Amino acid sequence: SSELTQDPAVSVALGQTVRITCQGDSLRSYYASWYQQKPGQAPVLVIYGKNNRPSGIPDRFSGSSSGNTASLTITGAQAEDEADYYCNSRDSSGNLHWVFGGGTKLTVL
Amino acid sequence: QVQLVESGGGVVQPGGSLRLSCAASGFTFSSYGMHWVRQAPGKGLEWVAFIRYDGSNKYYADSVKGRFTISRDNSKNTLYLQMNSLRAEDTAVYYCAKCILEPGGDWFDPWGQGTLVTVSS
Repeated sequence: SSELTQDPAVSVALGQTVRITCQGDSLRSYYASWYQQKPGQAPVLVIYGKNNRPSGIPDRFSGSSSGNTASLTITGAQAEDEADYYCNSRDSSGNLHWVFGGGTKLTVL
Repeated sequence: QVQLVESGGGVVQPGGSLRLSCAASGFTFSSYGMHWVRQAPGKGLEWVAFIRYDGSNKYYADSVKGRFTISRDNSKNTLYLQMNSLRAEDTAVYYCAKCILEPGGDWFDPWGQGTLVTVSS
């Protein structure tokens, strides 16, 4: 199996840019996908593939990857972006297993 | 629109069984693999199981292998999770999610609203 590591908490001032990172060996082979989860709600996909946003996700959300690290960047963070963010990728073992990062709680100040 | 609706959660005693369902609509259910993902209270997301679009292959997290069984009925557009030998640590909200498989990476979209399973005596 493999693991994905995220910082437990990150904060950003309103309107500023924040980067949330995710590290793991599997990210050398697979793109991460990113999910936003607000309290009491189901997760929502915000970034997938190289840097793709589903319909309805604001363009202030972007993704990137380098080596074993994937990043989710929010450019001009808004109050409604305050949430938990999870990365995910396929397990690098070769089996069809998946792993989530531990999640990052984003606070918008 | 694409929608997933879970049901079947509840309170069950340790060692007991429960079957969750996930009703799909708004897309061709029989063309997509499906996942179950769970979230213990106050904790992060944990992948549980995956089934291919035709049910031909099934994959499980080590934490549930041998106790949980994922299945689907494409004629009813419904995904299932049979959970046996339940433990306190299986207490969680269980989500189903549609899977998009791509060579460079996969994603889960959309997710259902979740159903709560509580294992307690």
